[in-house]
Amino acid sequence: AQKVTQAQTEISVVEKEDVTLDCVYETRDTTYYLFWYKQPPSGELVFLIRRNSFDEQNEISGRYSWNFQKSTSSFNFTITASQVVDSAVYFCALSEAQGYSTLTFGKGTMLLVSP
Amino acid sequence: DGGITQSPKYLFRKEGQNVTLSCEQNLNHDAMYWYRQDPGQGLRLIYYSQIVNDFQKGDIAEGYSVSREKKESFPLTVTSAQKNPTAFYLCASRTSGGGNTIYFGEGSWLTVV
Repeated sequence: AQKVTQAQTEISVVEKEDVTLDCVYETRDTTYYLFWYKQPPSGELVFLIRRNSFDEQNEISGRYSWNFQKSTSSFNFTITASQVVDSAVYFCALSEAQGYSTLTFGKGTMLLVSP
Repeated sequence: DGGITQSPKYLFRKEGQNVTLSCEQNLNHDAMYWYRQDPGQGLRLIYYSQIVNDFQKGDIAEGYSVSREKKESFPLTVTSAQKNPTAFYLCASRTSGGGNTIYFGEGSWLTVV
């Protein structure tokens, strides 16, 4: 069975601080996909990134970066120079690689960025 | 605009009543999903459908029903058998092919009064 653990329930930072959201996953599959979604107060889940299990390169997109380490089954997300608009709940999710497989979500990390 | 439309955004229901949440997508996606979100619980899968006229139960299907008569529509009915229906409901869809991104609608808040 697949499982995603986001141990940090809530994180509070002050604007311009860097913050890392942790994600640890469990799966027996050799091929799988990992995702991060952002949920602002409006409720919609916004897709941020998808990474397949064969690609361990770190990725940077503006102030966002992702560190995928297969050896530790982790897919951590860092926001550099955080802004108030980054305040949201962030979800890590895991999917099998076959067909129309569903997503298994972690319980989310609420990030509060204060001015 | 292309996307996933859920309605209504907010819905109040009396105990013992069934209620249907609408989900429509114009992305030509094959698969559609319904998730339930409770505070501190993350998202849990209720039902999903890979093709028209076919659907499968997810982890928490009891007290819910769905239909998939058209590719673009996947309504969810919350029946009176659902013991704790107050929650935020999210509809999603994706194209075929393993690992393709699942995209979400804006969600529907259901409150039982």
